Formats: sequence, structure tokens, C-alpha cells
Amino acid sequence: EPEVTQTPSHQVTQMGQEVILRCVPISNHLYFYWYRQILGQKVEFLVSFYNNEISEKSEIFDDQFSVERPDGSNFTLKIRSTKLEDSAMYFCASSDLLAGEREQYFGPGTRLTVT
Amino acid sequence: AQKVTQAQTEISVVEKEDVTLDCVYETRDTTYYLFWYKQPPSGELVFLIRRNSFDEQNEISGRYSWNFQKSTSSFNFTITASQVVDSAVYFCALCQETSGSRLTFGEGTQLTVNP
Repeated sequence: EPEVTQTPSHQVTQMGQEVILRCVPISNHLYFYWYRQILGQKVEFLVSFYNNEISEKSEIFDDQFSVERPDGSNFTLKIRSTKLEDSAMYFCASSDLLAGEREQYFGPGTRLTVT
Repeated sequence: AQKVTQAQTEISVVEKEDVTLDCVYETRDTTYYLFWYKQPPSGELVFLIRRNSFDEQNEISGRYSWNFQKSTSSFNFTITASQVVDSAVYFCALCQETSGSRLTFGEGTQLTVNP
């Protein structure tokens, strides 16, 4: 069964460093998403991406965040200058239709630890 | 604005008991979608069910059943004859038509099934 994959599973970085989290969505999906989950809290929407551009972003997704689909398969989230409060689990998701019309399938997540 | 409330933070049951997880949502849209996801201790998010606002029919899938009631803005989830493997955090989520593709999650309910 097709699945969303994410690398790395765990990333440790120092405050102020740049990190890139990588995701490979399900191959025939067209809509891509990033969510984050601070430890012990709920899952929060960051951004959605369709047709090579951001279609929606939350208030969390400020200028230090960016997303990219550099080739036909990868979908990346870049955090330019990490802060302690960026420590969280980051989930990538994809769907073949707009969320709502079809479920979003989530990857296993990348745990980001900022020290 | 959209909001999902899962008032039960933690539930503990003994194996073979039935358990119901509550979900109450708020939305001004007439078209919206409701979801349940399971997050086992390994951390991934597993899709369980999607329901649109025009389909109030209850659904049963094996030991799982869902009760959608628009009159009370609730979408409750029942596990019959619970098993230890059901232990997880369960999230209810909402996607409303006017909010694009974002899923808004509730705080989650930690279910522990004891042998």
C-alpha cells in the first residue's frame, strides 16, 4: 500500500541553525501539507501546497518557514533559523483531492529537537 | 472560526469494555468534513474515518462505530470490546469548506486499555 515517507526520523539541531525536513508524498497525490505537534499537544496545521505554490498557511507559518517541491517526488519544509520553540514532531501529509473531499494520509513524522 | 473539542483528556478501561470517545465541533459552514485519526505510541497518525456534513448515517467498521449528530454538533467514536492494541491517542478533526484544506484537530483523547 502506498505511503508517505519522511526523513530523517529524528533531527537534532542547535538554535539558529537551518534545517530541512524531507517528505515523499504518495505518488499520484496532488495536495501536500505540513503539520506540527508539540510534545503532548494537538496537531496543528502549518501549510498546504498545490500546483507548485502555497495554497494556504497558518499564523504559525511565518517568514522563517518555507516549502518547496524541488523535483517530482520530494516535498520539503525548511526552517531558516531554528528556535527552541520549534522543537516538535513535524508531519507531512498528502491527498489526491482537496482535504475534506478526501482524507489526508500522514507520514510517520520527523521529530525535531532544537537545543 | 472552526473548533474541535475533545473534553476527555484520558480514558482508562479494562479489556473487553466498550468505550466512547466524544467529539464536539463548531463551524459556521454548512459543508464540512469530520475525521478521526489514531496515534499509537509509535507516533504516526492513522486515518480511521471521514464523514461529510450531509451524511448523518452512522457507520460501523468491525469493532469501531461512529455516531454523527448534527443537532448536537457531535461526532462520537465507540470501540466495542476494547483490546490492548487500541491503546493510543485518538484525534477528532474538522475541515470546513471555507477554510480550504486545513484540518483542525481536537486536543486528543488518550485511551489506555488495560489487560
